[in-house]
Amino acid sequence: NAGVTQTPKFQVLKTGQSMTLQCAQDMNHEYMSWYRQDPGMGLRLIHYSVGAGITDQGEVPNGYNVSRSTTEDFPLRLLSAAPSQTSVYFCASSRTGSGGSTDTQYFGPGTRLTVL
Amino acid sequence: KQEVTQIPAALSVPEGENLVLNCSFTDSAIYNLQWFRQDPGKGLTSLLLIQSSQREQTSGRLNASLDKSSGRSTLYIAASQPGDSATYLCAVRPLVFGKGTRLSVIA
Repeated sequence: NAGVTQTPKFQVLKTGQSMTLQCAQDMNHEYMSWYRQDPGMGLRLIHYSVGAGITDQGEVPNGYNVSRSTTEDFPLRLLSAAPSQTSVYFCASSRTGSGGSTDTQYFGPGTRLTVL
Repeated sequence: KQEVTQIPAALSVPEGENLVLNCSFTDSAIYNLQWFRQDPGKGLTSLLLIQSSQREQTSGRLNASLDKSSGRSTLYIAASQPGDSATYLCAVRPLVFGKGTRLSVIA
């Protein structure tokens, strides 16, 4: 299994540009989520999905869109990038979104995004 | 709103020492608590997962405990090694992360 994969690894954007961060998992997990990690702020939840066709907002959703058309993929879209979105973005997945005996979260390697 | 705090923010110890990392949370209504390790520039690797009904979990030199009533978890690392140097994060479910403890083990 590849686990959780993310592309690209690095990206530089100009203010106002749009882009999509890709995330895929091959573990048939129902729950997927996106986090951003900023110095001194820790990891903060952007959006999450408990299954195909179902998404919801996390703590910091503004400026980001998501969709979940398949179990495997959960892309994160930046519609109009801003310097405040400079961060490291992590995608994660787990069997379910609630408690459970095997509910470990698995993380992708991250995408380092810089917005100029 | 759930808040997760990790103390200390940074810790430096000599090789071979046993150490404890602390994690506290404000709302005891959690599903589980997970400890992660993050190496610089890398993603998060799961170390231990403790269900809300459990008191502790062990994996090799690592032991994590959970006391829901007091809102605390500890990660015990025995006989620390330089390879243990990393940032350690705890997260409670529904998911809120602490800011981590940056551990340096000096040879």
